[in-house]
Amino acid sequence: GQNIDQPTEMTATEGAIVQINCTYQTSGFNGLFWYQQHAGEAPTFLSYNVLDGLEEKGRFSSFLSRSKGYSYLLLKELQMKDSASYLCANMDSNYQLIWGAGTKLIIKP
Amino acid sequence: IAGITQAPTSQILAAGRRMTLRCTQDMRHNAMYWYRQDLGLGLRLIHYSNTAGTTGKGEVPDGYSVSRANTDDFPLTLASAVPSQTSVYFCASSENRGGNEQFFGPGTRLTVL
Repeated sequence: GQNIDQPTEMTATEGAIVQINCTYQTSGFNGLFWYQQHAGEAPTFLSYNVLDGLEEKGRFSSFLSRSKGYSYLLLKELQMKDSASYLCANMDSNYQLIWGAGTKLIIKP
Repeated sequence: IAGITQAPTSQILAAGRRMTLRCTQDMRHNAMYWYRQDLGLGLRLIHYSNTAGTTGKGEVPDGYSVSRANTDDFPLTLASAVPSQTSVYFCASSENRGGNEQFFGPGTRLTVL
């Protein structure tokens, strides 16, 4: 079956760094996406990895290892507004996104 | 209109009633999607459309139907609502189906009693 695993909840301190992990087992691979979702709002796109390695975009970076079925999202210099859920999604062989349940990130002052 | 809109924002519906959730995008995207989001679960694809005039079934299509008469609109219909269809429904679009960013509408919170 298809499966995406990510931690349910994480807590971090303002100004610190946090890494949110995601492992996936899906039929085929056409890219790994990360989205941010604030409570009561729609998901918004953060990153897309299709090749192994690290993609950096400002305070956010995303890493992919296809051989390990593993990705992480790295958030630096955490701000209170980063409190949100972070959704990992894998695009399978049918170009359908298979979504994890999301990681709720709580930022404390 | 800027981006993707959904209506209504929220709705309480009696079981057995018919309901259509509306979705409109102005980005001229070819692909559109309907997801439901339930607590503790990832987003699940209900139906999708690769381009105007075509639709396909996603992971959880039973009890739902869609149409894509033109590029902009992608309504989702519940023919006879049941309580298990209580959820938050998101419409999304992307330039094409594939490795493109999906843009999400604000969601419709539906409660079926």
